[in-house]
Amino acid sequence: NAGVTQTPKFQVLKTGQSMTLQCAQDMNHEYMSWYRQDPGMGLRLIHYSVGAGITDQGEVPNGYNVSRSTTEDFPLRLLSAAPSQTSVYFCASSYSGVDPADTQYFGPGTRLTVL
Amino acid sequence: GNSVTQMEGPVTLSEEAFLTINCTYTATGYPSLFWYVQYPGEGLQLLLKATKADDKGSNKGFEATYRKETTSFHLEKGSVQVSDSAVYFCALSVSGGNQFYFGTGTSLTVIP
Repeated sequence: NAGVTQTPKFQVLKTGQSMTLQCAQDMNHEYMSWYRQDPGMGLRLIHYSVGAGITDQGEVPNGYNVSRSTTEDFPLRLLSAAPSQTSVYFCASSYSGVDPADTQYFGPGTRLTVL
Repeated sequence: GNSVTQMEGPVTLSEEAFLTINCTYTATGYPSLFWYVQYPGEGLQLLLKATKADDKGSNKGFEATYRKETTSFHLEKGSVQVSDSAVYFCALSVSGGNQFYFGTGTSLTVIP
């Protein structure tokens, strides 16, 4: 049971490049989400999904796309990277996303730098 | 709306000192409350949680009590260790909201 995995761990992009951050979980969780972590701002929700085929926007969705074709995978796409997207990105999952008592399980993070 | 306010850091303590990290919240509805811990270079992991008023969450010597009257969920530990050095996040989740709301995090350094 690997939990939540993320790849890559580190990435450097040039402005305007595109890339996909991968996230997978093996706990059969319905709810998955992406956060970005910036100094002094805590974690901010980018996008989330309550099940395969269902996604929705969080607090800071601009510049990011997501899709959820399987229960296990929830990739985050940057279509045209900007320096403002330099951040640490965390993927998280929980059992349902409906019960507020559900614990969220986090991946180890991807540190992205956009030059 | 929903939000979490937690104590600004960084906090530096000597080993065996008493720790308090303050957390207050505003919520629409009845939230569940969480403390997460992030060790250097790692993702967040659940430290403890409480799901209703007056519940006390506890783990690894840390405790926090859900106080509805003061909308608070302060984290405490009686005797910190060097290994407790980390960033601590207070968070809440509300029913049907599908979102977690995190505080800005408090960095704790424990020196021998």
